[in-house]
Amino acid sequence: DAGVIQSPRHEVTEMGQEVTLRCKPISGHDYLFWYRQTMMRGLELLIYFNNNVPIDDSGMPEDRFSAKMPNASFSTLKIQPSEPRDSAVYFCASSLGLWTDTQYFGPGTRLTVL
Amino acid sequence: GENVEQHPSTLSVQEGDSAVIKCTYSDSASNYFPWYKQELGKGPQLIIDIRSNVGEKKDQRIAVTLNKTAKHFSLHITETQPEDSAVYFCAASRSGNTPLVFGKGTRLSVIA
Repeated sequence: DAGVIQSPRHEVTEMGQEVTLRCKPISGHDYLFWYRQTMMRGLELLIYFNNNVPIDDSGMPEDRFSAKMPNASFSTLKIQPSEPRDSAVYFCASSLGLWTDTQYFGPGTRLTVL
Repeated sequence: GENVEQHPSTLSVQEGDSAVIKCTYSDSASNYFPWYKQELGKGPQLIIDIRSNVGEKKDQRIAVTLNKTAKHFSLHITETQPEDSAVYFCAASRSGNTPLVFGKGTRLSVIA
């Protein structure tokens, strides 16, 4: 398996624009996680899915953030409208089981909002 | 909820020396403690984990110890090599629908 795939790897956009980040989890994994990494706040869990269903979105910072998982092989994280403080590295991860199973992270998307 | 503190935030060691990273957690019900390594430009990758029924676990040059009474756990890397240079994250979680909580990370630099 190629591992978790994320696209784009880098995104530069202007404040107010819509941004969509994409993730393809490892085939067969039932859980998918979206994280945000910043120097100040470290690695924060935004939302996670089980079998394509969102289970906990309490980490989503604002209504400007939304995530979907239309099928087992694809998920999106959307920010609309984007703001400079959204600049961060966004990671997608997947795992077979929940918290005691290894989470496999993608390479991340570095987002810069000007 | 769970809170994980990690120290130090940066660590420099000479090649061949040992490195120790320490974490404390707040939730006494936490029972799973993984360590992840993040190399430059990549996502974190699990390197070792320990569960609450074990006090110590080793895998070649890395080891993790757990003190449930004091609620702290540590990562030990012996005979460090330049390829050990990375950011290391500790994390904690417990059974049930509770999130894996990560520490802020430690940037380890191994100087040749």
